[in-house]
Amino acid sequence: SYELTQPPSVSVSPGQTARITCSGDALPKQYAYWYQQKPGQAPVLVIYKDSERPSGIPERFSGSSSGTTVTLTISGVQAEDEADYYCQSADSSPVFGGGTKLTVL
Amino acid sequence: QITLKESGPTLVKPTQTLTLTCTFSGFSLSTSGVGVGWIRQPPGKALEWLALIYWNDDKRYSPSLKSRLTITKDTSKNQVVLTMTNMDPVDTATYYCAHGRAVAGGDWFDPWGQGTLVTVSS
Repeated sequence: SYELTQPPSVSVSPGQTARITCSGDALPKQYAYWYQQKPGQAPVLVIYKDSERPSGIPERFSGSSSGTTVTLTISGVQAEDEADYYCQSADSSPVFGGGTKLTVL
Repeated sequence: QITLKESGPTLVKPTQTLTLTCTFSGFSLSTSGVGVGWIRQPPGKALEWLALIYWNDDKRYSPSLKSRLTITKDTSKNQVVLTMTNMDPVDTATYYCAHGRAVAGGDWFDPWGQGTLVTVSS
């Protein structure tokens, strides 16, 4: 079955740039989506179609794609960005990555 | 404004069938390109997509759970129902429903309901 691979954890200091990667064989052909999930809350879409940002999502969140890897970049990380981040894509059906815990030091 | 809310039992016994209802507002499930999906998350673990139903009644299921899942819609009631048979303690999770968008190149989910925790225990 199709899989998306994310690093389990990423740590950055406030104000720095965080980059979270997601790898999958179908990513050159399919869009990637990114969700932010804070403890006890439902996931929230932060990037769609690889690099589009929904309304209400801060500009510091951006997405990019290169071959079989997509990247969520958070520029100028703030304490409130500490959360779990999940990528999602699809082959014949939707699939989620294993999630990355972003820690703001 | 789109909202979704999950409802159903909080506790089920092993081997029983789970029935969850997603009641939504702010969109119609008869609109082209729209769907409703179900996703679950065991405590402390990752998200797992379960099922998706589209405006045209096309249905998709997780390959690993397909034999246990059924998804249906009632457009007039703005509801989507998910049933999962033969529940096991490993199925203990928070179950979310979410508004889906179907596009060439992949579907996505936004927004999500608040989720409902289902515990499987005797």
